Amino acid sequence: QLVLTQSPSASASLGASVKLTCTLSSGHSTYAIAWHQQQPEKGPRYLMKLNSDGSHIKGDGIPDRFSGSSSGAERYLTISSLQSEDEADYYCQTWGTGIHVFGTGTKVTVL
Amino acid sequence: EVQLLESGGGLVQPGGSLRLSCAVSGFTFSSYAMSWVRQGPGKGLEWVSDISGSGGSTYYADSVKGRFTISRDNSKNTLYLLMKSLRAEDTAVYYCAKDFTSIAVAGTFHYWGQGTLVTVSS
Repeated sequence: QLVLTQSPSASASLGASVKLTCTLSSGHSTYAIAWHQQQPEKGPRYLMKLNSDGSHIKGDGIPDRFSGSSSGAERYLTISSLQSEDEADYYCQTWGTGIHVFGTGTKVTVL
Repeated sequence: EVQLLESGGGLVQPGGSLRLSCAVSGFTFSSYAMSWVRQGPGKGLEWVSDISGSGGSTYYADSVKGRFTISRDNSKNTLYLLMKSLRAEDTAVYYCAKDFTSIAVAGTFHYWGQGTLVTVSS
């Protein structure tokens, strides 16, 4: 079964970096995923598609301080130089045969 | 500029029906698959349904299969979601999203709308 696992929360100080993890279920370690950001009271926004080799395609206007990387079944989103507007929920998402799957989301708090 | 504007949400009684619309602009609508994704109160994102660019292929989450129908009118640049036999657990903000390709469930969601709220309650 295709499942994505995320930690529920993460925090870091203003100007620091935070690294979020999304883990693919067993047997799906080669799958690409996407990261989406949802700021409070707003609709989601596409950040990037992240492949198993670490290559990624960012969305329009996404700052360089958002980057992605991969290792085995884990997909990472690193936010550098944290800004107050980065305080949001971050969802990873993937797709399989006839189905899309979301992770449960990670709430990022900027201290 | 890509724009997606959902409408049609509201309050409906359990067992009732509702049709959501998503009017799009800024891209060639028929060239892209489209999706509906929902978010219950205080909950995460849940994929609901996908339709290919031509409308010939559709996919549904198990939670809505047999009750919801996705469709599109490429001449009107509009995506629809017909929801029947609504339940309290269908209460959510419903977002439409533009896919990356014309093939349904073959990629991720490139652009999102702002959502429309559906409340199922007596």
